[in-house]
Amino acid sequence: GAVVSQHPSRVICKSGTSVKIECRSLDFQATTMFWYRQFPKQSLMLMATSNEGSKATYEQGVEKDKFLINHASLTLSTLTVTSAHPEDSSFYICSARDRTQGSYNEQFFGPGTRLTVL
Amino acid sequence: AQRVTQPEKLLSVFKGAPVELKCNYSYSGSPELFWYVQYSRQRLQLLLRHISRESIKGFTADLNKGETSFHLKKPFAQEEDSAMYYCALGNTNAGKSTFGDGTTLTVKP
Repeated sequence: GAVVSQHPSRVICKSGTSVKIECRSLDFQATTMFWYRQFPKQSLMLMATSNEGSKATYEQGVEKDKFLINHASLTLSTLTVTSAHPEDSSFYICSARDRTQGSYNEQFFGPGTRLTVL
Repeated sequence: AQRVTQPEKLLSVFKGAPVELKCNYSYSGSPELFWYVQYSRQRLQLLLRHISRESIKGFTADLNKGETSFHLKKPFAQEEDSAMYYCALGNTNAGKSTFGDGTTLTVKP
């Protein structure tokens, strides 16, 4: 099946620094990837849709200058949290679509990245 | 507007009891619905997709277009079913899915 990895799995940083999170599709090409935030025992909040070779589409209320998304290849999308602050601490999850498996709208999820900003 | 509602944030049943996790949706087009599950300390994974009409781990879900529902059911819950369950509605035109708020299922021994 389609496998999505994320790196790092956990990161702690100081307030004001930037953090990059990588999302990779390991055995398929993902033209579209998604970035979510998940709060403890709460739902997924879609942050943005990342399309290979084009600008990401951000959801309303998500600051695109703060959460930089780059989808430079068919297997890699990155999320950079710029000038991180404690309120950015969260669990960030990426997912990808594999058009060759399942249905068009089915998503394959990464394991998530726990970001803690001190 | 596209919306998915899971009215129960928490659901607790005893082992062996039937369980039903509710999901209602609103969508003007032809819906494509999914159930995803997230076990403790694991990633989200697909449990069911309505187009497959399959049973996974004893769970089934039937799309009821009249009631705009896609409830998840299992006749005899097991302790290992304890997890967070998300109902999701796919939108091919928008290229993204809408997730419900999730239901935490606890199956007690």
